[in-house]
Amino acid sequence: EDKVVQSPLSLVVHEGDTVTLNCSYEVTNFRSLLWYKQEKKAPTFLFMLTSSGIEKKSGRLSSILDKKELFSILNITATQTGDSAVYLCAVGTGTASKLTFGTGTRLQVTL
Amino acid sequence: GAVVSQHPSRVICKSGTSVKIECRSLDFQATTMFWYRQFPKQSLMLMATSNEGSKATYEQGVEKDKFLINHASLTLSTLTVTSAHPEDSSFYICSAREGKETQYFGPGTRLLVL
Repeated sequence: EDKVVQSPLSLVVHEGDTVTLNCSYEVTNFRSLLWYKQEKKAPTFLFMLTSSGIEKKSGRLSSILDKKELFSILNITATQTGDSAVYLCAVGTGTASKLTFGTGTRLQVTL
Repeated sequence: GAVVSQHPSRVICKSGTSVKIECRSLDFQATTMFWYRQFPKQSLMLMATSNEGSKATYEQGVEKDKFLINHASLTLSTLTVTSAHPEDSSFYICSAREGKETQYFGPGTRLLVL
């Protein structure tokens, strides 16, 4: 059975802090790893990673994949209250690229 | 780009009735769409994979006769919850795949069955 594990489950930080969210996986027929941000409604896409060691960056967010150690991290620098959300990691597998989601990390950024 | 819409956003219905939820890809064609359900404070659970022009593929434990999926065009998939019961109350989210990998999600439909 495919498994995606995220840590920590929840995190409270002060505005301006830097956070690192972790995602490890055990799947068969890996194709891609995706990060999403979920606020009150459906997830919004952040990154898709397919190759090891290549950092993807968007503003204050960045992510990298290690296919040898089977994990990915999502970094957020200079956090803002608007970054408060649940961050979901999902791994795509098989020819249909089905996504298996982790349970998410709930991030709260306080003033 | 890559916008997915869902309708309705919220529905309340009586037990025993059927509810149809639509998922549309607005600015791209999606041969494959996915239906998920999410319980409070839990992650997304894949229910089924919807392929345009063919039968949907259901995940283990998901009743295909209860959750009817139709993917009649490259931009529209529908999920019908038949004879809904209170335990079907949940947040239903669809996604559409653009290209080979990335899935974009609709805004979700919150279903409450009384």
